[in-house]
Amino acid sequence: EVQLVESGGGLVQPGGSLRLSCAASGFTFSDFALSWVRQTPGKGLEWVSAVGGSGGTYYIDSVKGRFTVSRDNSKNTLFLQMNNLRAEDTAIYFCAKDLEFAPRGPDSWGQGTLVTVSS
Amino acid sequence: SYVLTQPPSMSVAPGEAARITCGGNNIGSKSVHWHQQRPGQAPVMIIYYDSDRPSGIPERFSGSNSGNTATLTISRVEAEDEADYFCQVWDSDNDQVVFGGGTKLTVL
Repeated sequence: EVQLVESGGGLVQPGGSLRLSCAASGFTFSDFALSWVRQTPGKGLEWVSAVGGSGGTYYIDSVKGRFTVSRDNSKNTLFLQMNNLRAEDTAIYFCAKDLEFAPRGPDSWGQGTLVTVSS
Repeated sequence: SYVLTQPPSMSVAPGEAARITCGGNNIGSKSVHWHQQRPGQAPVMIIYYDSDRPSGIPERFSGSNSGNTATLTISRVEAEDEADYFCQVWDSDNDQVVFGGGTKLTVL
């Protein structure tokens, strides 16, 4: 059974930084792309970033230059380094396993971690 | 960037069929995936590659995709199907995952 457990969320001031982590189990981690998807409470899903099995990275335009996605295949862990955070980054951040080695979209989801950007 | 358009909401009586549409420019040339999100829970993928169903997903869920519209059909709606439904594609022109705005399904 695929399990994805996010951690690292919390309250941060505008301009601050946070690092999210996602511990994965139940599948061959290195064989699949992984994504971060966020959701403002009561709103829709917004894909944020992905890292392919080969290590290639992908971002939504609004986070380019501020967020960095990475993976540690030796520890089955996905990361999202978030710098220069803005109020509009406030959301629940979900870690997701992708369908394929290259990003195509999630097929399994974590429970999410809440990031609040506020002074 | 690529845009997916869903109706914001729809209502259906138990036992009736629900058809949730997802519109996009020539979406029939892309693979469409559908995710269900019940209140307070994480999303769950219920349809992948247009019409495939993951293990554990009831047979009453099906999908189709042609032209400019993809459709999720729930053949006989049950109370537990009350949820938000999101369509999703990979936008290969911009190397991004794209979600539709979501459809809130209410079971009367």
